[in-house]
Amino acid sequence: GDSVTQMEGPVTLSEEAFLTINCTYTATGYPSLFWYVQYPGEGLQLLLKATKADDKGSNKGFEATYRKETTSFHLEKGSVQVSDSAVYFCALRGFQAGTALIFGKGTTLSVSS
Amino acid sequence: DVKVTQSSRYLVKRTGEKVFLECVQDMDHENMFWYRQDPGLGLRLIYFSYDVKMKEKGDIPEGYSVSREKKERFSLILESASTNQTSMYLCASDTPGGGYGYTFGSGTRLTVV
Repeated sequence: GDSVTQMEGPVTLSEEAFLTINCTYTATGYPSLFWYVQYPGEGLQLLLKATKADDKGSNKGFEATYRKETTSFHLEKGSVQVSDSAVYFCALRGFQAGTALIFGKGTTLSVSS
Repeated sequence: DVKVTQSSRYLVKRTGEKVFLECVQDMDHENMFWYRQDPGLGLRLIYFSYDVKMKEKGDIPEGYSVSREKKERFSLILESASTNQTSMYLCASDTPGGGYGYTFGSGTRLTVV
């Protein structure tokens, strides 16, 4: 079945460092891909999405490109801030009607000043 | 903005109790979902619903049931709570098509003692 694998954390960075969180997926057809963020004590928020190959999703300085050839959707940010400290989840949704989101296990990011 | 409201942020229940977790969304979404979130396991789908009185099992439905009598409300029921159901429970909703991802509630942290 469909699945998502993302790098295990925690990821610890200094402020202004470059961030990459790897995400790869297994799915039939052309799923939609998502990154969600969960700040401490809160629910998940949609960070960005891409619905077809070569699409780039972006939001709040974060970017991810839907790579069909490598089945990847890596999250990047050029300069992280302390306020980016959170748990990040990669997710996919199959192209078939009636499917639910499938999530990776989450990657905890901790940014220090 | 769509709002998904979960009735309780924190709950403490005793083993064997029947527990109701309530979720209400205010944007006429057809689809609603219940996940549980555990450290190291990410989000796992318990049940989902595509319409009033309809329900589908997710990956881990054992020990749970759901009710959807009205479009805006989706309840998760623990028939006889057990300590292994101590977890964070997240409700979400979205529209058919799935390209926009979910809107999540803030979560209910349930402790079963």
